[in-house]
Amino acid sequence: NAGVTQTPKFQVLKTGQSMTLQCAQDMNHEYMSWYRQDPGMGLRLIHYSVGAGITDQGEVPNGYNVSRSTTEDFPLRLLSAAPSQTSVYFCASSSPWRGRVGAFFGQGTRLTVV
Amino acid sequence: AQTVTQSQPEMSVQEAETVTLSCTYDTSESDYYLFWYKQPPSRQMILVIRQEAYKQQNATENRFSVNFQKAAKSFSLKISDSQLGDAAMYFCAYRTSIQGAQKLVFGQGTRLTINP
Repeated sequence: NAGVTQTPKFQVLKTGQSMTLQCAQDMNHEYMSWYRQDPGMGLRLIHYSVGAGITDQGEVPNGYNVSRSTTEDFPLRLLSAAPSQTSVYFCASSSPWRGRVGAFFGQGTRLTVV
Repeated sequence: AQTVTQSQPEMSVQEAETVTLSCTYDTSESDYYLFWYKQPPSRQMILVIRQEAYKQQNATENRFSVNFQKAAKSFSLKISDSQLGDAAMYFCAYRTSIQGAQKLVFGQGTRLTINP
């Protein structure tokens, strides 16, 4: 069972470039989320989805877009990368029926914007 | 909005000894869940232990246990018989019972070092 898979694991972008961070889960979870991790700030929620076609903003959504066309995939798009978006990004999934177990996380993507 | 605070950026402990990591949170809700996640150098987020707010009994998982003080909004993690493999960042996290685990609120993290 692969769980939550994120690609790529590392990425360097130039300011103004665009890219998509991929996230896929094979646990048939309805809920998926994107977090960013910055030193001294823990993980902060960017966007989340409670099912295919349904997304909403989290705490720090500016500069990021998401869509959820299937249950399995939840890509995160950076339209015009900025140095402030240098961070480690985590995708997570969970089930509303097993929420007490928390969320399952991917391995993270370390993104550097120069 | 809910907040989670970990006031200890770094902690260290001798191997085989006991260490306690602190976490406080702020919420107006009566029903919620609390978690401790471990993040080793591999970056993987690993669930260590969870606590349901409606349960008075403190959760335990082998060498890991919590001290849940609901009135004080405190949720500390105790690691007994510390091992070198326990070295990691530890995050305290909160979720409401209504919205599910798609919206976790995390503390700032505590970096734990184990001294051999």
